[in-house]
Amino acid sequence: SQQGEEDPQALSIQEGENATMNCSYKTSINNLQWYRQNSGRGLVHLILIRSNEREKHSGRLRVTLDTSKKSSSLLITASRAADTASYFCATDAGNAGKSTFGDGTTLTVKP
Amino acid sequence: DTEVTQTPKHLVMGMTNKKSLKCEQHMGHRAMYWYKQKAKKPPELMFVYSYEKLSINESVPSRFSPECPNSSLLNLHLHALQPEDSALYLCASSQDAGTSGSGQYFGPGTRLTVT
Repeated sequence: SQQGEEDPQALSIQEGENATMNCSYKTSINNLQWYRQNSGRGLVHLILIRSNEREKHSGRLRVTLDTSKKSSSLLITASRAADTASYFCATDAGNAGKSTFGDGTTLTVKP
Repeated sequence: DTEVTQTPKHLVMGMTNKKSLKCEQHMGHRAMYWYKQKAKKPPELMFVYSYEKLSINESVPSRFSPECPNSSLLNLHLHALQPEDSALYLCASSQDAGTSGSGQYFGPGTRLTVT
């Protein structure tokens, strides 16, 4: 089964609200990455957080990592319609480049 | 240049055809990847090349044949595909495939339809 599982599967919010997505994984990791994918297009790398880090920020994005619970969350603050996309977490267990993707959260931001 | 390019954008092929997908990056990355993605599913890893050598093959059927002619180019040769192989094929690259973990840069993908 996939290393990462995400919830919720789908999230619909109004512009300006915050969006929180969660990712859980099963085995020890070296790092965890979050990606965004607009419909039918390639993935865009958002943030990478290493196993010895607990929180990371990039603009309106905040990622936390709890290795004891094997979980991570992605918070998007002050969401915009342009944030509408699918968001995937991916875990790197140090297996020679093999990142395993979670099932993804589909975010819809209504204007 | 932080871009990964893929050609073609769309490809329709019959089950007896032979075609190739191409991927290129000029970021000096030493690891390159092929993924397959079905609608509403996450990308599934197919192959990893590290320093131009195949390091991971995720038990992909032999009708998919990867090739890495040099550190900037990655090809995926397709032959005798099945309709269930229709999907979005994504290429990605990263600084290396080791444990440093640098995140992957993805191309826009090739939308493949097998008829």
